[in-house]
Amino acid sequence: KQEVTQIPAALSVPEGENLVLNCSFTDSAIYNLQWFRQDPGKGLTSLLLIQSSQREQTSGRLNASLDKSSGRSTLYIAASQPGDSATYLCAVRVMNSNSGYALNFGKGTSLLVTP
Amino acid sequence: KAGVTQTPRYLIKTRGQQVTLSCSPISGHRSVSWYQQTPGQGLQFLFEYFSETQRNKGNFPGRFSGRQFSNSRSEMNVSTLELGDSALYLCASSPRTTSGRDEQYFGPGTRLTVT
Repeated sequence: KQEVTQIPAALSVPEGENLVLNCSFTDSAIYNLQWFRQDPGKGLTSLLLIQSSQREQTSGRLNASLDKSSGRSTLYIAASQPGDSATYLCAVRVMNSNSGYALNFGKGTSLLVTP
Repeated sequence: KAGVTQTPRYLIKTRGQQVTLSCSPISGHRSVSWYQQTPGQGLQFLFEYFSETQRNKGNFPGRFSGRQFSNSRSEMNVSTLELGDSALYLCASSPRTTSGRDEQYFGPGTRLTVT
């Protein structure tokens, strides 16, 4: 059974700092990995999608890497801003024996960027 | 292009009642997945529907069911509600290409409170 773990569970940094969020998964048989952002009480906003054959993806101040063989992904946020405060979730896409798909999520990292 | 929409956004029900939640995917998307989010368990996969057929099911009791219509809209039903069913229910849609590498797009969720 695929297990996804995110470390740390919570993080508080001053504005302007660069930071790294970690995600690990136990089974390398994934189709892709997505990083999401969730604001309190809201739905999920997709930040970056990395296909299983890719090593990294970048969008603005965000960079995500994937090492499928070791079961690890990192999300790097450059020059953090108070508006980046949210919960960040990573999820891996897997397939079952009936060709059905599902996302397995980590518990998330709660980020607080202080002015 | 309009995003994933979910109705209703908020719902309060009494233990023992049943509830139906609705999800309209992004136009052209044919796969709809449902997830339950609670503070204790995080995000858990409920089921995936594609071409009006359930393709994958998570580890939830039979009280949780769903269906998909020919226009790809989906509903999920929970019968005999329990207090523990209080959660944010999220729906995600994707094109469901043959590669399996689709990005998932989430709706804003339905907040269900069972009293």
